[in-house]
This record gives sequence, C-alpha cells and structure tokens, in this order.
Amino acid sequence: GENVEQHPSTLSVQEGDSAVIKCTYSDSASNYFPWYKQELGKRPQLIIDIRSNVGEKKDQRIAVTLNKTAKHFSLHITETQPEDSAVYFCAAPASGGSNYKLTFGKGTLLTVNP
Amino acid sequence: DAGVTQSPTHLIKTRGQHVTLRCSPISGHKSVSWYQQVLGQGPQFIFQYYEKEERGRGNFPDRFSARQFPNYSSELNVNALLLGDSALYLCASSPWTTMTYNEQFFGPGTRLTVL
Repeated sequence: GENVEQHPSTLSVQEGDSAVIKCTYSDSASNYFPWYKQELGKRPQLIIDIRSNVGEKKDQRIAVTLNKTAKHFSLHITETQPEDSAVYFCAAPASGGSNYKLTFGKGTLLTVNP
Repeated sequence: DAGVTQSPTHLIKTRGQHVTLRCSPISGHKSVSWYQQVLGQGPQFIFQYYEKEERGRGNFPDRFSARQFPNYSSELNVNALLLGDSALYLCASSPWTTMTYNEQFFGPGTRLTVL
C-alpha cells in the first residue's frame, strides 16, 4: 500500500513569510495528490490538489509542486497570514490509482505569528 | 450550501457498548468513505461505499461495519467499543467516475469518546 511521509511536523513563520511543507510517497502509480487544511475542531478542507499530468498548480497564495521521478510533492504558501494557521495534511491514493482510499501524512502544524 | 452532514456531533459511550454514526453526502455524490482521526494524527481510511456496495476496507477489526442506503447516505457501526476507539469519525463524500480520481469532501465529523 501507499506510504506518505510529511515534513516538518511543526512550522512557525512570521506573517508575510513563505511556508513550505513537503511530502513523499511510495507508490509510483499514484496519480492524485490533495492537500487539506484542518483548523482546530473543524473538518479537513481541500485547499488544492494536483494530478500527475502537471508539475505545478497555483491558486492565489497557494501552490503545489509535484516531482514524480523523486516521488515527492510540496505545498507552498506565500505571504502568510495569521488565518493560515492550521494543521495541513498531504495525501495520496492508496494502491496506486485507487479511486477511493486516501493515505494521509501525519500533518504539519503551521503557526503564523503576527 | 448542502455540504456533507454527519450526526451526532458528539457522543459519549462506555466500553463494550455499540455506536451508530450517520452521514449524508453532498447532493449528487454517490460515494461515501469513512475515516477515523485520532488526536494528533491524519485521518485513517475505514470503508468506502458506492451504490450500496463496499468498495474498499481499511485495516480495522470486524467490530467496524458500515452500509449505504439507496439515497446514498451511510451508517458506520462500531460494536464492543474500546477506549482506543475514541476519535473523530469523518465521512467523506465524492462523485464517482472511473476516469479519474475524485476529490473527497469531508463532513464535520462525529467526536466519539469512549469511557
């Protein structure tokens, strides 16, 4: 099955700085990589995803990059704001292109200091 | 905005009891997945259902079972509760196509505490 490693486990930045969270995966057949943001006591919310036919995807201050050769993908947040503070999870489909099961990383607690 | 809904919001049970959690997917979504999220960890996959059939099962004991109804809502049942079953149980709704991977949208979860 898929194994997803996420780093760092905690990240503290100053408001306005950039934040980068990295994930590696094990199954080379995986073809879909979502990122979720979870605020304390709330549901995980999909913030961006990337499919294996592209190397980068951007949505305003958030971007995700994918390196299929190295089997890693990263979340980039620019011009961070205090409301970006949350736990971020990366995920990948288990069993390669499996259409249902996501394997999640352990999460990164991002703190943006005003 | 009719997102994924789950009930109840919170639940307190004692060891050995049984619990039923409920989920209604986003309108038009036919697939429901269940995840368990222990404090400080990422969600772990339990089950996925589509068209009332189990399409996938995670590494959970037989005490965990689920079903999906004709209206695509779903129930997760856990028997003989253990202290370690205390967690946030999340339901994720997804459209189903065979062409590409589908986004999963999570409900607010049910916080289960086993005493």
